[in-house]
Amino acid sequence: DAGVIQSPRHEVTEMGQEVTLRCKPISGHNSLFWYRQTMMRGLELLIYFNNNVPIDDSGMPEDRFSAKMPNASFSTLKIQPSEPRDSAVYFCASRPGLAGGPQADTQYFGPGTRLTVL
Amino acid sequence: DQQVKQNSPSLSVQEGRISILNCDYTNSMFDYFLWYKKYPAEGPTFLISISSIKDKNEDGRFTVFLNKSAKHLSLHIVPSQPGDSAVYFCAAKVFRGANNLFFGTGTRLTVIP
Repeated sequence: DAGVIQSPRHEVTEMGQEVTLRCKPISGHNSLFWYRQTMMRGLELLIYFNNNVPIDDSGMPEDRFSAKMPNASFSTLKIQPSEPRDSAVYFCASRPGLAGGPQADTQYFGPGTRLTVL
Repeated sequence: DQQVKQNSPSLSVQEGRISILNCDYTNSMFDYFLWYKKYPAEGPTFLISISSIKDKNEDGRFTVFLNKSAKHLSLHIVPSQPGDSAVYFCAAKVFRGANNLFFGTGTRLTVIP
């Protein structure tokens, strides 16, 4: 299994530009999570999906952030317009759910996308 | 408001000795706890978990202890190995099966050969 795949691994952009981060969860997993990691706040949950449906987006910092999951194998996190304070590492994670047996609650993380907004 | 706290940002331990990483939480509704390990430039990986019905869970060199009355959990690594050098995150959530994980800010463990 390839694990959770994120692209790009690194993104450098200028303030005001649109940024799109992509995630492919592990096949068969029914939950997907987007996190942001900063030195000051650690790992923060931004939004999560169950069966492609957004369940809780209360962690999304502003309306500039949006996330979609058009199907079970793909999700995007978009920032428009981007600002320097959005610079962070963004992680995607997926979770098997009940089909995962003892690991049903375990979230499997991707390698992250390091975003730098100049 | 940080509901899960790791008050030690870093810890250094000699190889072969015990590493103890601590985590405190404020939400008494949390009843499932996880530890993740993160190497530089990689995503966090699941290490070990514990349900609130237990006070100890062991997996090889890793043991997690839970003290519900103190709202405190700790991860013990014994013996510590240089490959254990990483950032360790504590996470907690309300009732098993819920999706929202609350993470601490992490503790950087350095195991000195």
